[in-house]
Amino acid sequence: SQELEQSPQSLIVQEGKNLTINCTSSKTLYGLYWYKQKYGEGLIFLMMLQKGGEEKSHEKITAKLDEKKQQSSLHITASQPSHAGIYLCGAEDTGTASKLTFGTGTRLQVTL
Amino acid sequence: DGGITQSPKYLFRKEGQNVTLSCEQNLNHDAMYWYRQDPGQGLRLIYYSQIVNDFQKGDIAEGYSVSREKKESFPLTVTSAQKNPTAFYLCASRLGGPSYNEQFFGPGTRLTVL
Repeated sequence: SQELEQSPQSLIVQEGKNLTINCTSSKTLYGLYWYKQKYGEGLIFLMMLQKGGEEKSHEKITAKLDEKKQQSSLHITASQPSHAGIYLCGAEDTGTASKLTFGTGTRLQVTL
Repeated sequence: DGGITQSPKYLFRKEGQNVTLSCEQNLNHDAMYWYRQDPGQGLRLIYYSQIVNDFQKGDIAEGYSVSREKKESFPLTVTSAQKNPTAFYLCASRLGGPSYNEQFFGPGTRLTVL
């Protein structure tokens, strides 16, 4: 099955700073999903990327999928305390939509 | 409001006891999933079901069992055979079909074995 590596594992940034989280696979990413999780809660869907070179934005968060479809990045502009949490990437296991494999997550803290 | 509910939020179990975690969705989704999350780790798939009366093992199915008798319900039983059951359990559902669409997650159940 697919393995997803996320980096960094944790991140502490000052409010207002930009940051980037990466998700890398040795296999082709057919469907790449980004989720956010507050500690002890369920996951909240952020964005899904499917095509090589695709980029999507929502408020201050931008996700990109590289042309080779093996790496995705999540960029947060002008971070706020509300951005704190765990960010997880998940990818479809095969070319048909069935089940996701998740990365180990990136824990983000935003300091005042 | 449409969504996924999991109950209970916290569950305590003595060693050697079976326990069942509830997951219900009213989103009319075909596919449902159970994940386990341990500290510092991502989600690992336990079981999933793409249609009523059918389910498949995920990556860590040993010591767990499921049923899918109704479209809206996908209960997970943690049996005494599961050697390390203390964890955070998450249920999810998805519209299903061949198109890529996101999974919606419930709030989770934290299971502690005493």
